Amino acid sequence: DTGVSQNPRHKITKRGQNVTFRCDPISEHNRLYWYRQTLGQGPEFLTYFQNEAQLEKSRLLSDRFSAERPKGSFSTLEIQRTEQGDSAMYLCASSFSEDRVPLFGNGTRLTVT
Amino acid sequence: GEDVEQSLFLSVREGDSSVINCTYTDSSSTYLYWYKQEPGAGLQLLTYIFSNMDMKQDQRLTVLLNKKDKHLSLRIADTQTGDSAIYFCAETNDYKLSFGAGTTVTVRA
Repeated sequence: DTGVSQNPRHKITKRGQNVTFRCDPISEHNRLYWYRQTLGQGPEFLTYFQNEAQLEKSRLLSDRFSAERPKGSFSTLEIQRTEQGDSAMYLCASSFSEDRVPLFGNGTRLTVT
Repeated sequence: GEDVEQSLFLSVREGDSSVINCTYTDSSSTYLYWYKQEPGAGLQLLTYIFSNMDMKQDQRLTVLLNKKDKHLSLRIADTQTGDSAIYFCAETNDYKLSFGAGTTVTVRA
């Protein structure tokens, strides 16, 4: 499978706990994006990387959120002190910087109880 | 962010054509996309169009772009039950996609 891979697929956590999600992009892609999708809505942009550099963060990405892409390959998204409002599907996508056509993974569905 | 609007629901009979409409506000949009999402899954890219094109056809899918009216449509010919899903319109002028809320398409026998 050479598509975008996200793990875990589902995560249930208690409020206040920390969670980390992983995204493995398509190997040749130099751009990696994180989006968040709540029920009944379209995805909303969170942040993106060009290689290992994080080039933009949305206002949606509060101080409790941090994303890394240490070697320009896989990326992690960590949420500290989770809140019920963090419950959502977290989607990762990747693309070449030249073609601007992001391909998405299957997402990680987070439920905060 | 920029606004992208879609109608929320569409019901279509199997074998008929479906047309999903989308309007957007950003006149500097360069790429416009249609993605499909099935329950519990991520987004599957169906097709995209450059803003300097009026139409793009790919098998059963036809995309029409009216840049003057900022209107994008997706036509699915010979709609099948497997086409039941949520369809998202999106646009960008660089790297950040702005999505509509999605159109839920239900195919009835």
